[in-house]
Amino acid sequence: NAGVMQNPRHLVRRRGQEARLRCSPMKGHSHVYWYRQLPEEGLKFMVYLQKENIIDESGMPKERFSAEFPKEGPSILRIQQVVRGDSAAYFCASSRQGEGFEQYFGPGTRLTVT
Amino acid sequence: GNSVTQMEGPVTLSEEAFLTINCTYTATGYPSLFWYVQYPGEGLQLLLKATKADDKGSNKGFEATYRKETTSFHLEKGSVQVSDSAVYFCALRQGAQKLVFGQGTRLTINP
Repeated sequence: NAGVMQNPRHLVRRRGQEARLRCSPMKGHSHVYWYRQLPEEGLKFMVYLQKENIIDESGMPKERFSAEFPKEGPSILRIQQVVRGDSAAYFCASSRQGEGFEQYFGPGTRLTVT
Repeated sequence: GNSVTQMEGPVTLSEEAFLTINCTYTATGYPSLFWYVQYPGEGLQLLLKATKADDKGSNKGFEATYRKETTSFHLEKGSVQVSDSAVYFCALRQGAQKLVFGQGTRLTINP
């Protein structure tokens, strides 16, 4: 059973460009969480989604950031007009309701904004 | 709000030394508590967990006990190995909600 897949693993964008990060949850998982890890810091929650619904986006910056988890396909975290401060590792986790909500993490996407 | 405070690192030990990484939390109700490990260039892996007071989580020689009276979940290992070198994160979760992480403790074990 494949784990949580994230791509790309590394992404370089110039300031002002858009970044799209993809997350494919584990098979059978319908809950997705996105976290951001700034250099030398812990992970900070960004958004929690179920299929076609945003459940909690309390950690998302108010501007430029959006997330979706469509009925078919991976979850997408989108960052418009990136700035240097967006450089970080972005981790996705997935869970299956009913298993104590244990979250399984992907390997992360490391975004560098030049 | 909920928060987790971890012992600041980095921590450097010799092989076979005893390890303690302190973790305390602030939360309403009864959160579940976790330790995650992150090896260089990789994502987080669940190391152990405890879901109620006095539970002890254990895995790969690591242990942590959920202490409600001291709101703590300290990570211990009796004899560390070079392969234990990594960053360790303490975290809490309530229900189906987000994980709240501590800042992480970088552990280096020298042979």
